[in-house]
Amino acid sequence: GAVVSQHPSWVICKSGTSVKIECRSLDFQATTMFWYRQFPKQSLMLMATSNEGSKATYEQGVEKDKFLINHASLTLSTLTVTSAHPEDSSFYICSADTGQGPAYEQYFGPGTRLTVT
Amino acid sequence: TQLLEQSPQFLSIQEGENLTVYCNSSSVFSSLQWYRQEPGEGPVLLVTVVTGGEVKKLKRLTFQFGDARKDSSLHITAAQPGDTGLYLCAGANDYKLSFGAGTTVTVRA
Repeated sequence: GAVVSQHPSWVICKSGTSVKIECRSLDFQATTMFWYRQFPKQSLMLMATSNEGSKATYEQGVEKDKFLINHASLTLSTLTVTSAHPEDSSFYICSADTGQGPAYEQYFGPGTRLTVT
Repeated sequence: TQLLEQSPQFLSIQEGENLTVYCNSSSVFSSLQWYRQEPGEGPVLLVTVVTGGEVKKLKRLTFQFGDARKDSSLHITAAQPGDTGLYLCAGANDYKLSFGAGTTVTVRA
């Protein structure tokens, strides 16, 4: 149980274009989903928290107009990187909170490698 | 600055040896999770500890939550090459996780 998928697993795009990444909870409903980015040899940095049917909450320093998050259903959240630039190249990982279990357990997707050329 | 400090940053041991990874903070957490991440993949949840002083065992892995719920440790007995990976601790408050910088463990055959 508690499986999270991401699509695509990797994407290469040209500078100035937009890229959409999907995150799905496959066997549970996720009220809350999270988006992280991870640079090589570094830990995960939370970008934003999204709740189904409401606006995402962005962490300090994350541009909400650049990283658009939509959480239209209890099983799907999307992250769109708008006007991507090479510095946006990173490993983007989503996670979902099942709302069950001892406390705030998150289950992670396999990640999406974004390369902006 | 990381809310959670992990040590050591890197650990390379021979198969069959034991290892311990530490996760420390000045903050109190309602729960703490340990994850393992392999290159190019997302983190996989290993365990959640909730109660101060709690000890959980998962086969050869032993997890301990400090009495004050500010620190935790992960001990692996008789490490195997399959234990190689990045180990991350994450403290939970409210609904968000704060991750440590991670410990890269390499177990040599």
